[in-house]
Amino acid sequence: KAGVTQTPRYLIKTRGQQVTLSCSPISGHRSVSWYQQTPGQGLQFLFEYFSETQRNKGNFPGRFSGRQFSNSRSEMNVSTLELGDSALYLCASSRSPGTGRPPNEQFFGPGTRLTVL
Amino acid sequence: GQNIDQPTEMTATEGAIVQINCTYQTSGFNGLFWYQQHAGEAPTFLSYNVLDGLEEKGRFSSFLSRSKGYSYLLLKELQMKDSASYLCAVRAMNTGFQKLVFGTGTRLLVSP
Repeated sequence: KAGVTQTPRYLIKTRGQQVTLSCSPISGHRSVSWYQQTPGQGLQFLFEYFSETQRNKGNFPGRFSGRQFSNSRSEMNVSTLELGDSALYLCASSRSPGTGRPPNEQFFGPGTRLTVL
Repeated sequence: GQNIDQPTEMTATEGAIVQINCTYQTSGFNGLFWYQQHAGEAPTFLSYNVLDGLEEKGRFSSFLSRSKGYSYLLLKELQMKDSASYLCAVRAMNTGFQKLVFGTGTRLLVSP
């Protein structure tokens, strides 16, 4: 069974640009969560999607947005990039909430490393 | 809100035992997770505790005390490949089912 895939793996942008990252969950998983990982802050939750609906959102500015498609694939978009947006962006997928043990076992993708110059 | 603390870095030698502590403050606690993350790779699930006590899985064990807001990950018979960051994460019901709040991670260096 293929794992979570993220594209692109590496990305270099300049301040003010916008970027779109893609995540394909494990087949059969309908929940996708996004996290930002930086050395100083660790992993921080961005948002979660389930059945094409945003179910939960972290404390990030409106420049960060996302969506989920009917096939459960998800994208996140960051507009007007800032230097501080340089980070590893991780996507995690899981089955429908409440199933399995642990009920929230998330499988992470390899991440997209974004560098903003 | 939630607050999670774990040591930044630890060192140990091959074959030894190491305990990585995690303390948390949260309301509506609904589970604590430990993940392992090797440099440049995705985090991988290690353990899950929702009730007090010890969960053992091979060389790895995880303990939880909900009354103390405390957990630890115990690694036995350390191997070089155990050098990685270990992330403690808490789920709280009032933050939504899938949202995990992570600590900043403990970098473990295993030396020969």
